[in-house]
Amino acid sequence: GQNIDQPTEMTATEGAIVQINCTYQTSGFNGLFWYQQHAGEAPTFLSYNVLDGLEEKGRFSSFLSRSKGYSYLLLKELQMKDSASYLCAEDAGNMLTFGGGTRLMVKP
Amino acid sequence: DTGVSQDPRHKITKRGQNVTFRCDPISEHNRLYWYRQTLGQGPEFLTYFQNEAQLEKSRLLSDRFSAERPKGSFSTLEIQRTEQGDSAMYLCASSGRTSGGIEETQYFGPGTRLLVL
Repeated sequence: GQNIDQPTEMTATEGAIVQINCTYQTSGFNGLFWYQQHAGEAPTFLSYNVLDGLEEKGRFSSFLSRSKGYSYLLLKELQMKDSASYLCAEDAGNMLTFGGGTRLMVKP
Repeated sequence: DTGVSQDPRHKITKRGQNVTFRCDPISEHNRLYWYRQTLGQGPEFLTYFQNEAQLEKSRLLSDRFSAERPKGSFSTLEIQRTEQGDSAMYLCASSGRTSGGIEETQYFGPGTRLLVL
């Protein structure tokens, strides 16, 4: 079956660095997405990892280890506007399977 | 606006009524997806179209749910005989080959929030 796990909530301080982990257990894996979702809004695309390694995009980086079924999203220089839910999603070909999301609260 | 659009944004209905939601994907995208999201959870996949063909519908929640994409452009999701448990956000997404983008990336619309009384 498919099971995606990520922490439910995290809290961090403005200006700090936070790492949000995601593990998945599935076959037919094509890639791993990260989306950001503010309350009441649609998910917005952050990153897509297909190969092992770290991909950096501004303040956000995403890492994937296919052999370990593990990914993380790294947010640097946190800003208050980064308070949102962060959704890990596995690309299984024709659909995305989402985790429950990690609600990140950034405090001053 | 060239993003994914959905209509209506909000719908309140009484139990037992039928509702229909519309999604207009990004114009160059040939794939269209429907998801349902309840509070505090990630989106849950419902169904998927490539052009006008519905290639995956086994995840539709019950036979009360149906979707169409008759001309391979916009899509509709219908829920018949609504139940209170159908209250959720219904999200549409599209993907496809566009210049400078990742073909697999799904771009989401703003969603239709359904409340069944």
